[in-house]
Amino acid sequence: SAVISQKPSRDICQRGTSLTIQCQVDSQVTMMFWYRQQPGQSLTLIATANQGSEATYESGFVIDKFPISRPNLTFSTLTVSNMSPEDSSIYLCSVEGSGTDGYTFGSGTRLTVV
Amino acid sequence: EDQVTQSPEALRLQEGESSSLNCSYTVSGLRGLFWYRQDPGKGPEFLFTLYSAGEEKEKERLKATLTKKESFLHITAPKPEDSATYLCAASGGSNYKLTFGKGTLLTVNP
Repeated sequence: SAVISQKPSRDICQRGTSLTIQCQVDSQVTMMFWYRQQPGQSLTLIATANQGSEATYESGFVIDKFPISRPNLTFSTLTVSNMSPEDSSIYLCSVEGSGTDGYTFGSGTRLTVV
Repeated sequence: EDQVTQSPEALRLQEGESSSLNCSYTVSGLRGLFWYRQDPGKGPEFLFTLYSAGEEKEKERLKATLTKKESFLHITAPKPEDSATYLCAASGGSNYKLTFGKGTLLTVNP
């Protein structure tokens, strides 16, 4: 299965600023997924990123708040813009596994907004 | 709208005390039912994918089963290192999106 490197692993940010999270995959993948895991909550899909096209956002998430880049088949970034304390969460990237493997997840970025 | 509900929210077992975790799902055209393990500060680690009712998969002390409405994760003779949050997720139809439950926090005491 694919190996995902995600960084930063954690950050503490001031409200009103932006943070860009990077995900690097060790193989080429068509789709990459970005999730948010709020404290005590389940993982929620933010958007699906395909290389060469605009990301597809889920209900409740907008491009201005969570712009995504997908410059090639192994890399993607998620930016959390104009942050507020409500954005404090774990953000995870994921790719679909091969064969019968399930989706693989990065180790996550724990974001705290103060 | 796809929904996944896990129970119980938390489960505390003694080492060697077998039990089961439940995952109820409402998904149109199930493509796959997934089980993950998540340790604190880490991303979810893939355990199993189940595709059709009646399917079962095993890995060490874990066994996952699937019916048309729910999935169970059976833990046989658990050890303290099995302590983690276990997540269930489902994908349906032509959508690759995973819908997750809130998870079951399992604690196994020595």
